[in-house]
Amino acid sequence: AQSVTQLDSHVSVSEGTPVLLRCNYSSSYSPSLFWYVQHPNKGLQLLLKYTSAATLVKGINGFEAEFKKSETSFHLTKPSAHMSDAAEYFCVVSDPKGGKLIFGQGTELSVKP
Amino acid sequence: GAGVSQSPSNKVTEKGKDVELRCDPISGHTALYWYRQSLGQGLEFLIYFQGNSAPDKSGLPSDRFSAERTGGSVSTLTIQRTQQEDSAVYLCASSLRGSFNSGNTIYFGEGSWLTVV
Repeated sequence: AQSVTQLDSHVSVSEGTPVLLRCNYSSSYSPSLFWYVQHPNKGLQLLLKYTSAATLVKGINGFEAEFKKSETSFHLTKPSAHMSDAAEYFCVVSDPKGGKLIFGQGTELSVKP
Repeated sequence: GAGVSQSPSNKVTEKGKDVELRCDPISGHTALYWYRQSLGQGLEFLIYFQGNSAPDKSGLPSDRFSAERTGGSVSTLTIQRTQQEDSAVYLCASSLRGSFNSGNTIYFGEGSWLTVV
């Protein structure tokens, strides 16, 4: 069965400092992995996705994530946080039969001035 | 349309009433999904449509929940005899096809906020 675990429910950083949001996955198959962001009272927006191409995936707004099979991890990073990055972030794994995304519990990112 | 459109955006209903939530996917998208986002529960998968058929409806929480899709486009999620625990944001999403291996992307609507009082 597929699952994702987001290791932190809340992360707080200062503006201009690096962001690290941690995600571990479990999958019986070679997974497709995603990070989605949800700003308050807004819909879910895709940040980036891994689908067995390059292990370092670059997304929008300066975010990137690295797929590490040996560690079953797909951590999300950004070199320098911006106030507008404050939001809820979801790590997601796909069901290999298609049709279903399995969401982690989410990590709330706060950015302090 | 430009994105996934959901209606109503907000719905308050009395316990025991039926509600219908509508989803209009991105034009040309064959796959359509319903998810539920509850406080403290994260995002739960409800049902997946490929065209008009639903190969995976494993996430529907009870027989009070049903969904249909007609014409390979608009979908309606119906909740009968609503209960307070049904209060949540119901999210619809669509994608060009239902597999992920080829870099297929799922696009989400902004959700229908349902409150059962």
